[in-house]
Formats: sequence, C-alpha cells, structure tokens
Amino acid sequence: AQSVTQPDIHITVSEGASLELRCNYSYGATPYLFWYVQSPGQGLQLLLKYFSGDTLVQGIKGFEAEFKRSQSSFNLRKPSVHWSDAAEYFCAVGARYKYIFGTGTRLKVLA
Amino acid sequence: GAGVSQSPRYKVAKRGQDVALRCDPISGHVSLFWYQQALGQGPEFLTYFQNEAQLDKSGLPSDRFFAERPEGSVSTLKIQRTQQEDSAVYLCASFQGRVGSYEQYFGPGTRLTVT
Repeated sequence: AQSVTQPDIHITVSEGASLELRCNYSYGATPYLFWYVQSPGQGLQLLLKYFSGDTLVQGIKGFEAEFKRSQSSFNLRKPSVHWSDAAEYFCAVGARYKYIFGTGTRLKVLA
Repeated sequence: GAGVSQSPRYKVAKRGQDVALRCDPISGHVSLFWYQQALGQGPEFLTYFQNEAQLDKSGLPSDRFFAERPEGSVSTLKIQRTQQEDSAVYLCASFQGRVGSYEQYFGPGTRLTVT
C-alpha cells in the first residue's frame, strides 16, 4: 500500500541552527515527491518537488531535499533556520493524480 | 485568478444541517481536488475532477458527501446532515494537468465546525 511516514511529530531548533525533517514513503513505482509548508490558518504552500533527474532539489526559502531511492526517503533540509520557518511541514507522494500526505512535522524555532 | 480561493473560510453548522463549500481554482487549471484535513493530521484525498468529470470519488467518507463541478471551473463540496466527525478543514487544490506540471496548488481551506 502507498504511504508516507514522517517520524517526527514535533521538532524544536534554535534560530540559525540547521534542520532536517525526515520523510519515508512506500510506493510501487518512481514517485513524484513534494514538501509543503502550512502556517496556522493557511493553506499549503509548495516548498519543492521531485519528479525525476537530479536527486538533490532546491526549493523556495532556502530549503532543499534529497531523494534517496535505496532508502525510500525524501528528507528536507535547511542550513540555517529563521524564526519565520516555524510552521507545519508535510511530505507528500504523488500517486498518479492524487497526493498521499504524511501526518506532518511541527517545527518550533527558539530565538 | 491569482490563486485558489475557497469560501467560506469558516463555517459553523449544527449537527444535521447541510453545508456547501465553494472552491474557485486557478484559471485554466483543468484538474481539481478536494482534501479533508482533520486536526493534527495530514490532508486526505476526497475526490478529483478533470474538467467537469468526476474521475475519482473514492475518498468521500460517506454518501452524505457530494461534490460537483458542472462547468469545469468552480466546484462545490456539499455535506448533508452534518455530523461531529465531519469537523475538519476542507482543502481544495488545482493543477494544470499538463505533462511535466504535476504540482497541486492549494487554497486556504474552509474550517468546518459541527456543534
């Protein structure tokens, strides 16, 4: 069955520290992979996407993610976190036309 | 339009009432999706339209849920005889449907609270 696992429900980091949010997926074929961010009361904003090609993808707001087929992972990284990055982050697998989302990781940033 | 819009943004309904949630996709986007996001969870797929055709409604939780997109643009999600378990944020998304362009663009959602 297709699924997405985000093992960390909450993560707290200090401003300026590096960040890695984990995402593992289960899907029978090469997936389309996405990271979205959701601020309170807001919809989902696309951070980055992977369809094919270079396995390291760059996104908006200084985020990047690396697709590792052997580990079925698509972890999100940022070298230096800003207070405005505090939000909930969702990883998603595109299974044909519909997305399967993980349960999200809530990021808290300490000043 | 500039983005996906949804209305109302907030809806409070008494149990047993019917509600209608509206979605205006990005102009020219042929594909439209509805998702349900329960508190503390990720969005879950409800239904998918390509133009006016509803191609997948496998995620609709019961026959009280009904969606339509009669002219291939605006869509309405209707919930009949609302129950407390229907309380959630309902997200609408659209995408162009062109090869190579698979990312979905989401609206701000409608938060439904059933009392």
